[in-house]
Amino acid sequence: DAKTTQPTSMDCAEGRAANLPCNHSTISGNEYVYWYRQIHSQGPQYIIHGLKNNETNEMASLIITEDRKSSTLILPHATLRDTAVYYCIVRVAPGAGSYQLTFGKGTKLSVIP
Amino acid sequence: GAVVSQHPSWVICKSGTSVKIECRSLDFQATTMFWYRQFPKQSLMLMATSNEGSKATYEQGVEKDKFLINHASLTLSTLTVTSAHPEDSSFYICSAYASLNEQFFGPGTRLTVL
Repeated sequence: DAKTTQPTSMDCAEGRAANLPCNHSTISGNEYVYWYRQIHSQGPQYIIHGLKNNETNEMASLIITEDRKSSTLILPHATLRDTAVYYCIVRVAPGAGSYQLTFGKGTKLSVIP
Repeated sequence: GAVVSQHPSWVICKSGTSVKIECRSLDFQATTMFWYRQFPKQSLMLMATSNEGSKATYEQGVEKDKFLINHASLTLSTLTVTSAHPEDSSFYICSAYASLNEQFFGPGTRLTVL
């Protein structure tokens, strides 16, 4: 699976949009971009995933650049409960390879009142 | 979303004893479950892949005789830490796929070995 690079930490004011970047310049054509987050002392939580089109769900939006070498996770209105470590993971679709996820160091997002 | 539970949520044991951690998929069947370990201020590290009805697949460097995994049914996988020592103290997390693209994680088990 391709390697990802994320900033170590970010701050965001409560109520503002949080934009979390991720670089995955070695991504292959059949690899998806997944985002998970981990609130302190809890298991990771799935947020969103995408291949090449922008995606949106009730939690967040995922913007993938046209060359697919980077992406941005957007939390439109950050709340204090969004404070967590956010992991960007690149992997092939299930069924096309291993089912396992490889976690990097992620971005520690702190939402400030 | 689908729910994965773990039991216990935390456990304290003496060095040399064995500890069993259960991972259950509550509203779906999971042919494959995963066990991760997370040390303080570090990321999750995959320990093993648990396959229902067959032997687990361990990652390099993980002792299969120390971390016994049993996947007896489509909704239950257990991890037994045998002869636990203080260096085994960690946060253990299991996960399973409920659908093709969504892997759901349990809440984790905090193990402290004295």
